[in-house]
Amino acid sequence: GDSVTQMEGPVTLSEEAFLTINCTYTATGYPSLFWYVQYPGEGLQLLLKATKADDKGSNKGFEATYRKETTSFHLEKGSVQVSDSAVYFCALSEGTGTASKLTFGTGTRLQVTL
Amino acid sequence: EAQVTQNPRYLITVTGKKLTVTCSQNMNHEYMSWYRQDPGLGLRQIYYSMNVEVTDKGDVPEGYKVSRKEKRNFPLILESPSPNQTSLYFCASRSLGVGFYEQYFGPGTRLTVT
Repeated sequence: GDSVTQMEGPVTLSEEAFLTINCTYTATGYPSLFWYVQYPGEGLQLLLKATKADDKGSNKGFEATYRKETTSFHLEKGSVQVSDSAVYFCALSEGTGTASKLTFGTGTRLQVTL
Repeated sequence: EAQVTQNPRYLITVTGKKLTVTCSQNMNHEYMSWYRQDPGLGLRQIYYSMNVEVTDKGDVPEGYKVSRKEKRNFPLILESPSPNQTSLYFCASRSLGVGFYEQYFGPGTRLTVT
C-alpha cells in the first residue's frame, strides 16, 4: 500500500536558518503530494501541494518539488521564523475526486529559537 | 467563516462509558472523515463518508461507529471506550469531484480514557 516516510524530529533551528524536512513516498500510481502544518492546539492546514512530477508547490516562503525519480517531496525554507514552529506532515493522495484518500507521514516537529 | 467544528475539545472518561464526539461543517461538503493522531504514527483514518447515509471504514475502524444523517454533521461514537483509544481526534471535510479539493480540518478533540 501507499506510505509516506518523514525524518524524525524534533528539528531545532535558530531564527533565519535554512530548513529542510525530508519526505519520501511509496505509491502504486501517480499520487498528488502535500505538506500540512499543525500549529500548537490547532488542526492541520494545507501548506502547499504538487500534483505531478517536477511541480513545485510554494506558500509562505516554503517550497517543495515533486521528484518522481527519487520519490521525494522535501520541504524547504530559506529563513525560518519563530512563528514557523509547528508540526509538519507530508501526505499523499492517489487518484482524484472520490478516490482520493490522504495518507500521512508521522510528522516532524520544528522548533525555531531566537 | 468556513470551518469545521468539533466538540468537546477535551474529554476525560472511564473505560466502558459510551461517548460521542460531534463534528459539523458549514461548507456544504459531501466528504467527511475522522482521523486519530498518535505519536510516531501520524494521522490514521478511522471512518469516512461520501454523502448522507454513505459511510465506510478507514484504516483503524475497530471500536468506533459513525453516522451521517445530515450533510453537515458526522459524529464519532465510542460505544465502549478503552484506554487504547486515548488519542487526539480530528474531523475533516472536503468537496468531491474531479480534480483537487482541499481537505479542511477541525481543531481536534483530545480524549483520555482511564
